[in-house]
Amino acid sequence: AQRVTQPEKLLSVFKGAPVELKCNYSYSGSPELFWYVQYSRQRLQLLLRHISRESIKGFTADLNKGETSFHLKKPFAQEEDSAMYYCALAPLSGGYNKLIFGAGTRLAVHP
Amino acid sequence: DGGITQSPKYLFRKEGQNVTLSCEQNLNHDAMYWYRQDPGQGLRLIYYSQIVNDFQKGDIAEGYSVSREKKESFPLTVTSAQKNPTAFYLCASSMGQAPYGYTFGSGTRLTVV
Repeated sequence: AQRVTQPEKLLSVFKGAPVELKCNYSYSGSPELFWYVQYSRQRLQLLLRHISRESIKGFTADLNKGETSFHLKKPFAQEEDSAMYYCALAPLSGGYNKLIFGAGTRLAVHP
Repeated sequence: DGGITQSPKYLFRKEGQNVTLSCEQNLNHDAMYWYRQDPGQGLRLIYYSQIVNDFQKGDIAEGYSVSREKKESFPLTVTSAQKNPTAFYLCASSMGQAPYGYTFGSGTRLTVV
């Protein structure tokens, strides 16, 4: 079964601390993976895509096929990073025609 | 200003009624999607459409129906058969297939009274 697991509902850190939001997936093929973010009172928006290997707002994510993980990392958290983060997988079957989302992790960055 | 618009923002439904949620996009995107967002469960796919006049069921399609008569519009009807319709509903669109990423609407919160 295709599944995305985000084991932490809430991650609470202090400003300046490193952050790692965990994401594990279950998929037998080669997926495309994404991180989406939802700031308070804003729309859900794309943060970064595995396919583009980019760094956005200091966040990076590396696909580890052996561990089937796509953890989101930032070396120094900022208060403005506080938001809900969703990991998502686009399975190749059917031509990448839908995204499967995890349950989300709320990141709270304290001053 | 290009984007995806959902209306209304809040909707109240009586038991046994059907209601329709609107989703319109002016991004010229081919694909459109409906998700349901519940606390602790993330986003679950209801229906999706890759082209006009074609749509497929997602993981939780029971009690819902859609149409795609125009490229810009993908309305969702929550029927009386949906056992637990109170939720936050999100519409999204993408240029082509999913790896391009989704653009989301601002959502509609439906409450059954």
